[in-house]
Amino acid sequence: AQSVAQPEDQVNVAEGNPLTVKCTYSVSGNPYLFWYVQYPNRGLQFLLKYITGDNLVKGSYGFEAEFNKSQTSFHLKKPSALVSDSALYFCAVRDMNNNAGNMLTFGGGTRLMVKP
Amino acid sequence: EAGVAQSPRYKIIEKRQSVAFWCNPISGHATLYWYQQILGQGPKLLIQFQNNGVVDDSQLPKDRFSAERLKGVDSTLKIQPAKLEDSAVYLCASSLDPGQPQHFGDGTRLSIL
Repeated sequence: AQSVAQPEDQVNVAEGNPLTVKCTYSVSGNPYLFWYVQYPNRGLQFLLKYITGDNLVKGSYGFEAEFNKSQTSFHLKKPSALVSDSALYFCAVRDMNNNAGNMLTFGGGTRLMVKP
Repeated sequence: EAGVAQSPRYKIIEKRQSVAFWCNPISGHATLYWYQQILGQGPKLLIQFQNNGVVDDSQLPKDRFSAERLKGVDSTLKIQPAKLEDSAVYLCASSLDPGQPQHFGDGTRLSIL
């Protein structure tokens, strides 16, 4: 079975400082990895994905994520946080070898609070 | 490009009543998903359609939940009868195919009294 862990319920950072939101995953095969962001009373918005290739993936709004196979991690990063980045962030995984319809499994979410 | 449309945005019903949600995916997206998001948790997949066929409904409580996508475009999700534990946001998403990123609607917030 595939699973995702986001160990921090909330991350607090000052505007202009770098931010990291942590994610670790478990799959039996090779992973497809995704980050989504959710603003209040809205659906999830796609930020970035890793399938194969370069371990550092760049996405929307200046976010990037680093795939680390040995640590089974896919941490989300941004060099300089903005107050408008404050939102709920979800990591998700899909097993490339999953024959059960390519189901995406989401983590429990991490609330990012960026203070002025 | 128009996004995924869902209605209603909010619904309040009493337990044991029935409720239905509607979703119109992005034009041309063959894959459609329904998720349940309980407060404080990540979305959980209920059912996945590929065109008008069901790909995965392993996590759908089939004794009370049903979904259809008869013409391979719009979809409805129904709960009959509702239980208190069904209080959640129901999200619809679509993608060009199962390997592409999913685009989400704003969801329907269901409250059971």
